[in-house]
Amino acid sequence: DAGVIQSPRHEVTEMGQEVTLRCKPISGHDYLFWYRQTMMRGLELLIYFNNNVPIDDSGMPEDRFSAKMPNASFSTLKIQPSEPRDSAVYFCASSLYGNQPQHFGDGTRLSIL
Amino acid sequence: AQRVTQPEKLLSVFKGAPVELKCNYSYSGSPELFWYVQYSRQRLQLLLRHISRESIKGFTADLNKGETSFHLKKPFAQEEDSAMYYCALSGLTGGGNKLTFGTGTQLKVEL
Repeated sequence: DAGVIQSPRHEVTEMGQEVTLRCKPISGHDYLFWYRQTMMRGLELLIYFNNNVPIDDSGMPEDRFSAKMPNASFSTLKIQPSEPRDSAVYFCASSLYGNQPQHFGDGTRLSIL
Repeated sequence: AQRVTQPEKLLSVFKGAPVELKCNYSYSGSPELFWYVQYSRQRLQLLLRHISRESIKGFTADLNKGETSFHLKKPFAQEEDSAMYYCALSGLTGGGNKLTFGTGTQLKVEL
């Protein structure tokens, strides 16, 4: 398996634009997680899904952030409109089932100008 | 509520010296604990988990429920150990599969 695949690897865009980050979990994994990593706050869980259903979105910072998982092999994290403070590395991770180790993607390095 | 504390943002040691990265947790139930490592500009990787009781790359970690700690140790640091280390907790009750990460400790091994 190629592991968790995220795209794009890097994204630079201007404030106010819509940003869409994509994630393909490891096949057969029932859980999918979105994290944000910054120097100031470290690694924060934004939202996670179980069998494509959002379970906990309490980490989503604002209404500008939304996440979907239309099927077992694809998820998106959308920011609209984007702001400079959204600049961070966004990681996607997946795990087989409850309490199993999570496998991380390479991350998307997002810069909002 | 789940909470993980890594008190040191940066730990600098000389090659061959012992390493101890501290991790304390707060959780009312029975936790499962992990150490993840992130080498420069790479993805996070699982290093070890407490239930496995194994040594990976010379690192070990013992869960001490009395002190609510899960410190990561290695007797002799190597240059390639330089990385960011995250302690993480998964609650077996109530928290579901949610992993709570500490803020991380940057380990720098100097020659």
